[in-house]
Amino acid sequence: GQNIDQPTEMTATEGAIVQINCTYQTSGFNGLFWYQQHAGEAPTFLSYNVLDGLEEKGRFSSFLSRSKGYSYLLLKELQMKDSASYLCAVRANSGYSTLTFGKGTMLLVSP
Amino acid sequence: NAGVTQTPKFRILKIGQSMTLQCTQDMNHNYMYWYRQDPGMGLKLIYYSVGAGITDKGEVPNGYNVSRSTTEDFPLRLELAAPSQTSVYFCASSYSGGSETQYFGPGTRLLVL
Repeated sequence: GQNIDQPTEMTATEGAIVQINCTYQTSGFNGLFWYQQHAGEAPTFLSYNVLDGLEEKGRFSSFLSRSKGYSYLLLKELQMKDSASYLCAVRANSGYSTLTFGKGTMLLVSP
Repeated sequence: NAGVTQTPKFRILKIGQSMTLQCTQDMNHNYMYWYRQDPGMGLKLIYYSVGAGITDKGEVPNGYNVSRSTTEDFPLRLELAAPSQTSVYFCASSYSGGSETQYFGPGTRLLVL
């Protein structure tokens, strides 16, 4: 079976840095995605990792360690608009591309 | 491009009624997916399709049916609606598997009373 764990909620201050962790146990591994979802809206793609290491995209970075079954999303220079739910999703099988999602981490950024 | 569109945006159903949630994409994507999202529970895959005429079950298929007669459309059918099907339903599409990201529609909020 698949199991993906993320913290339920996090709070941070505008301008700060926050790290959202994701651990997974899956049957096979073929990539990890991070999505952002604002309240009442659809998820939107943030990042993709398939090899170990750090991927950087502007204020957002994502890290993967396949041996530890661990990823994190790093958000720098937090803005109020970053208040959202952050979803970690794993593609476990090498066949058809279905994703298993974690329950999401609700991030609240305060002034 | 409109991307992924879903109709209706919101619907109230009585127990036992049926309905079809519509999903259309104009990106010529081969893969399409239906998810449901309950509060605090993340996204659960209901059904998916890797091309016209090919569909397969996801994690929570019971109570739902799908068809894929064209590349663009992937409707989700609810037969005999139950309160447990109260949820937000998202349709998504991707060009293929692998590193291809999934693009989500705006969602349909369904309430079964």
